[in-house]
Amino acid sequence: GDSVTQMEGPVTLSEEAFLTINCTYTATGYPSLFWYVQYPGEGLQLLLKATKADDKGSNKGFEATYRKETTSFHLEKGSVQVSDSAVYFCALKGDSSYKLIFGSGTRLLVRP
Amino acid sequence: DAMVIQNPRYQVTQFGKPVTLSCSQTLNHNVMYWYQQKSSQAPKLLFHYYDKDFNNEADTPDNFQSRRPNTSFCFLDIRSPGLGDAAMYLCATSRAPQGSNEKLFFGSGTQLSVL
Repeated sequence: GDSVTQMEGPVTLSEEAFLTINCTYTATGYPSLFWYVQYPGEGLQLLLKATKADDKGSNKGFEATYRKETTSFHLEKGSVQVSDSAVYFCALKGDSSYKLIFGSGTRLLVRP
Repeated sequence: DAMVIQNPRYQVTQFGKPVTLSCSQTLNHNVMYWYQQKSSQAPKLLFHYYDKDFNNEADTPDNFQSRRPNTSFCFLDIRSPGLGDAAMYLCATSRAPQGSNEKLFFGSGTQLSVL
């Protein structure tokens, strides 16, 4: 079945460092790919998405490119801030599916 | 401003004692979902309602039930909680169930502890 694998955390960075959180997926057809973020004490929020190959999703300085050839959707940010500290979830949704399938999440800690 | 509201934020129950978690929404969305998220694991879909139609995932234990009395409210009932049911329970909504462009809106979750 469809699945998502993302790097284990926690990822600890200093402020203004470059961030990469790896995400790869297994799916049939052409799923849509998402990154959700969960700040402490809050629910999951959609951060960005891409619906077809080579699409780049971006929001709040974060970017991820849908790479079908490598089945990847890595999350990147050029300069992280302390306020980016959160848990990040990669997810996919099949084009005819109601179901959002999540990775296990990666905790990001950004130190001043 | 909260659009998907879950109560309570923390719930403690005893082994075997029925417990109900609640979710309400102000978005007038047709679909409501319940996810279970155990520590350091991916959220896992338990079931969803599309309007009044209940859709159970094949691997959701019978111990978990749900009710949706109206568009705004959805409840998760755990009939006989076991220690393994301790988890964060996330409620989410969307306008329609299918389609890759459908955005899910999540509540803050209820952290369930079983003693």
